[in-house]
Amino acid sequence: DVVMTQSPLSLPVTLGQPASISCRSSQSLVASDGSTYLSWFQQRPGHSPRRLIYKLSYRDSGVPDRFSGSGSGTDFTLKISRVEAEDVGIYYCMQGSHWPPWTFGQGTKVEI
Amino acid sequence: QVQLVESGGDVVQPGRSLRLSCAASGFSFSSYVIHWVRQAPGKGLEWVAVIWNDGSNKYYADSVKGRFTISRDNSKSTLYLEMNSLRVEDTAVYYCARENIGTAPGIDYWGQGTLVTVSS
Repeated sequence: DVVMTQSPLSLPVTLGQPASISCRSSQSLVASDGSTYLSWFQQRPGHSPRRLIYKLSYRDSGVPDRFSGSGSGTDFTLKISRVEAEDVGIYYCMQGSHWPPWTFGQGTKVEI
Repeated sequence: QVQLVESGGDVVQPGRSLRLSCAASGFSFSSYVIHWVRQAPGKGLEWVAVIWNDGSNKYYADSVKGRFTISRDNSKSTLYLEMNSLRVEDTAVYYCARENIGTAPGIDYWGQGTLVTVSS
């Protein structure tokens, strides 16, 4: 199984400042079709997860452009260019390149 | 708009059974792969099971294999999770989630979740 490891697990942030979350996989997430099926989800307190990024770096419709995904192989990053108050929550990376199982990182709690 | 609505969560004793449902609307249910994902209280997300759009393939997490069964009724746009021999560690919010296999691949939409509590 592919193990996803996020860091840090807790991230204090300052409004208006950038923030970055790292996610590492135990093996390359390049799938047999050449794509990297790495997604990022945001889970606000009391809510279901919401996808922000798919296929490594593609932003979902309606997601602010201050969120960006990058990386390759086994190392991935979610960046928030300027943190806003509504960005508080827990962020998860998830891989869908080598399944089953689909696997998630442990989550990173972002708090002001 | 895409909607996934879970139901069936309850408080049950260890060893008992429970059936969850997920009613879908706003998209062509029979064209999509659907997952169950769970989240224990205060914990992270754990993938549980998946079923292909036509029910031809099903996969399970090792933690539930042999105890849980995923199924679907495309005529009713409904997904199910039959949970047997429940354990305390199965306590969680259970989400159904859609897998987009088109231009924005991956799990995209999630339901609001239903809480299963296994306790004596």
